[in-house]
Amino acid sequence: KAGVTQTPRYLIKTRGQQVTLSCSPISGHRSVSWYQQTPGQGLQFLFEYFSETQRNKGNFPGRFSGRQFSNSRSEMNVSTLELGDSALYLCASSSRDGDTQYFGPGTRLTVL
Amino acid sequence: AQSVTQPDIHITVSEGASLELRCNYSYGATPYLFWYVQSPGQGLQLLLKYFSGDTLVQGIKGFEAEFKRSQSSFNLRKPSVHWSDAAEYFCAVGPASGGSYIPTFGRGTSLIVHP
Repeated sequence: KAGVTQTPRYLIKTRGQQVTLSCSPISGHRSVSWYQQTPGQGLQFLFEYFSETQRNKGNFPGRFSGRQFSNSRSEMNVSTLELGDSALYLCASSSRDGDTQYFGPGTRLTVL
Repeated sequence: AQSVTQPDIHITVSEGASLELRCNYSYGATPYLFWYVQSPGQGLQLLLKYFSGDTLVQGIKGFEAEFKRSQSSFNLRKPSVHWSDAAEYFCAVGPASGGSYIPTFGRGTSLIVHP
């Protein structure tokens, strides 16, 4: 079974731009979570989608948003990029509530 | 709210030596516990997990972990470390309370392996 895939793997943007990241979960998994990882803050939870609905949300500003499609694929959008948004963005999927999260390789976003 | 503490930010061991990475958690009920490993620039890979049953859990790559309820710990061990084990290790506890099933991750322990 294929793992979690994320595209693109690397992205360079400038301040003020917006960006969209994509995540395809493991086949059959309905829950998709997004995390931001930085050296200073560690792994921080952004939000979780389940059956096209945002079910949980972390403590991030409204510039960070996401959505999930009927095939469970998910996108994350960051608008008005700031330098501090530079990070590794990780997507994880799980098959049911409370079950193991399986992570993708991440998207490395650099904001100049 | 649950929390996870990994007391050691960095651990340095020699290749072939034994390893123990510490993880302490705070959780109101019987937790689900996980250990993940992350190589530089990569995503997190599941090493092992504990949901219930035998408190000694075997994982991939020769790792094991022991759940000790009395100590609220879930330490990761390996009898003989290989240079390829150098990576960041994360302990996590879940599911969250209040309807959220998102696990809580520790800050990670960086493992350095000397030849």
